[in-house]
Amino acid sequence: QVQVQQWGAGLLRPSETLSLTCAVYGGSFSSYYWTWIRQPPGKGLEWIGEMVHSGITNYNPSLKSRVTISADTSKNQFSLRLSSVTASDTAVYYCATGMSGFWGQGTLVTVSS
Amino acid sequence: QSVLTQPPSASGTPGQWVTMSCSGSGSNIGSKTVNWYQQLPGTAPKVLIHHNIQRPSGVPDRFSASKSGTSASLAISGLQSEDAADYYCAAWDDSLNGWVFGGGTKLTVL
Repeated sequence: QVQVQQWGAGLLRPSETLSLTCAVYGGSFSSYYWTWIRQPPGKGLEWIGEMVHSGITNYNPSLKSRVTISADTSKNQFSLRLSSVTASDTAVYYCATGMSGFWGQGTLVTVSS
Repeated sequence: QSVLTQPPSASGTPGQWVTMSCSGSGSNIGSKTVNWYQQLPGTAPKVLIHHNIQRPSGVPDRFSASKSGTSASLAISGLQSEDAADYYCAAWDDSLNGWVFGGGTKLTVL
C-alpha cells in the first residue's frame, strides 16, 4: 500500500516563500507524476502543478511565475516552492502521486502579517 | 469561476440513486479523460473514479461514472449516510496545459 506523507511550515508572512515536502512510501516513485493541489478555506480544489520523472514540469498558468516543483528520487521525496506569497495563497496544500493516485494528508498554510 | 461546471448541491435519501453532472468543453472533457474525487468532511480528497469509469481498488461498485461529449456524470446507487461529502470532477485542459477542477457538488444524505 502506497503512503504519502507531507510536511512544511504552516505560517508565513507576506512575501516569504512557501516550502513543502512530500514523501512517498511504497510503489514505484519514478513512475508517478509528482503533483501539488491546493484548497483555500471553504473553497474548491486548484491544481498547482506536476513533475514527471523525466524532469518535465507543468504548472498552473496563474501560478507559473512563482512555482517550482522538484524531486529527490534518492529519498522518494518531492517538493513545492511558492515564492512571494500573499494572503490569497492561504490554503490547505496537498501532494499526490498523480491526479489518479494517492494523496497526502494536507498541510494548512496560512499567510498573515 | 471554475473551468468545469458542477451543480453546487445534490441530495438524496438512503437507498436512493443520485447523479451529479460535470460540464466542460472540447479542450478538456471533450478530448480528455475525467476523474472524480470524494472529499469527506475534514479529510483529504481521494480518487473515486479515474480515466472516466475506472474505480480504484476499494471503491464500492455503488459508484459509477460516464462521459458523453463535453459532459460527465457520477452516479451513486444505494445511497448511504457515509456518502455525504463534496464531490469534484477534474480533467486535463489542452488550452491551459494543466488540470482543471469543477467547483464541487456538496451531497447531502437526508
